[in-house]
Amino acid sequence: GESVGLHLPTLSVQEGDNSIINCAYSNSASDYFIWYKQESGKGPQFIIDIRSNMDKRQGQRVTVLLNKTVKHLSLQIAATQPGDSAVYFCAEKDTGGFKTIFGAGTRLFVKA
Amino acid sequence: DVKVTQSSRYLVKRTGEKVFLECVQDMDHENMFWYRQDPGLGLRLIYFSYDVKMKEKGDIPEGYSVSREKKERFSLILESASTNQTSMYLCASLRGDSGSGELFFGEGSRLTVL
Repeated sequence: GESVGLHLPTLSVQEGDNSIINCAYSNSASDYFIWYKQESGKGPQFIIDIRSNMDKRQGQRVTVLLNKTVKHLSLQIAATQPGDSAVYFCAEKDTGGFKTIFGAGTRLFVKA
Repeated sequence: DVKVTQSSRYLVKRTGEKVFLECVQDMDHENMFWYRQDPGLGLRLIYFSYDVKMKEKGDIPEGYSVSREKKERFSLILESASTNQTSMYLCASLRGDSGSGELFFGEGSRLTVL
């Protein structure tokens, strides 16, 4: 029969506030954890990655935190702007491997 | 500006038709991928290729095949389209020596099978 898609988790924030998007990963052997942003009508675009031997990495207005103990990854966006409205995917990959495994995604709405 | 180009943004096909989705990248990347994207399921890997004429099955290869005759081009083929293949299809490329594996995606091909 026809499958029904799952509802995408959503996060709604006020413009100017900080956003935190969370992700649980499954493979303890993954070497890299990556965040992608997908705007409406476009393909996903790389934001930032973090290697498994790190806990935190900062980019421009974004910070990724990795907690290997509980297999948790988060993306923090500072001073969220309307242009940040998109679907955000976490992903994991092992060094030298070809496969990137994606999470289901979180839709971020930014209220003006 | 580096680019992955998918030739068709929107397609409507009938059940049983053969469908070709084309993807071209201009970055001289060794690795290319086809994913399908469905709401709430994220991106699922159909097939990938790490070199010309080489291909590997991903997580959901059933009902699909691929062709990589040239480095820059990776085609996804649906031999006999079915309604459950209605989806968004995303092509991506990856540099061969990339550690973290930043994928470069095309804008997607939305396929509807009636």
